[in-house]
Amino acid sequence: AQTVTQSQPEMSVQEAETVTLSCTYDTSESDYYLFWYKQPPSRQMILVIRQEAYKQQNATENRFSVNFQKAAKSFSLKISDSQLGDAAMYFCAYRSAGGGNKLTFGTGTQLKVEL
Amino acid sequence: DAMVIQNPRYQVTQFGKPVTLSCSQTLNHNVMYWYQQKSSQAPKLLFHYYDKDFNNEADTPDNFQSRRPNTSFCFLDIRSPGLGDAAMYLCATSRDMTSYEQYFGPGTRLTVT
Repeated sequence: AQTVTQSQPEMSVQEAETVTLSCTYDTSESDYYLFWYKQPPSRQMILVIRQEAYKQQNATENRFSVNFQKAAKSFSLKISDSQLGDAAMYFCAYRSAGGGNKLTFGTGTQLKVEL
Repeated sequence: DAMVIQNPRYQVTQFGKPVTLSCSQTLNHNVMYWYQQKSSQAPKLLFHYYDKDFNNEADTPDNFQSRRPNTSFCFLDIRSPGLGDAAMYLCATSRDMTSYEQYFGPGTRLTVT
């Protein structure tokens, strides 16, 4: 079974600064997808960014980028130019490429953005 | 423009009293999921429907059941809630089983007294 570990329960960042959230995972599969989801307070979880394991290039979405290290089974999220609206719980998630659409989540990192 | 709607947002039930949580979607997606998210824990998939086909996760307790009367609606029934069932329950949808993205509702927080 796959597992996802987020070792940082809480992180803080100053507005306009950069922060990196860590995620590691364990799997015996070679083909899979990795995701970062954002859950703002009292609002629904939304997809921030995804990475296909077969792609060597790191995914980027505007101010959000990932550092995907397949051999190390590491998948960190970098948020540049942090904004107050980035404050949320961030979940790392894993999904197998073959069969089914089950997401396995980490326990989340609560990000605080300070003025 | 709400896409996945969960009602109610907060639900209080008594120990052992059956409770039903509701989810509806305006996306016309084929797949609907129910996740359980306990405090400080990762969301955990309970089951999903692909159209009318029900798929239960192996470790989902028998106490939890689901119904999907049509494409738009899906219900989570907890037959005899225990204190350990207090959690946030998240509903999500995806277009099909190969879609990358799941669309989540805001969740229903269940309290068991």
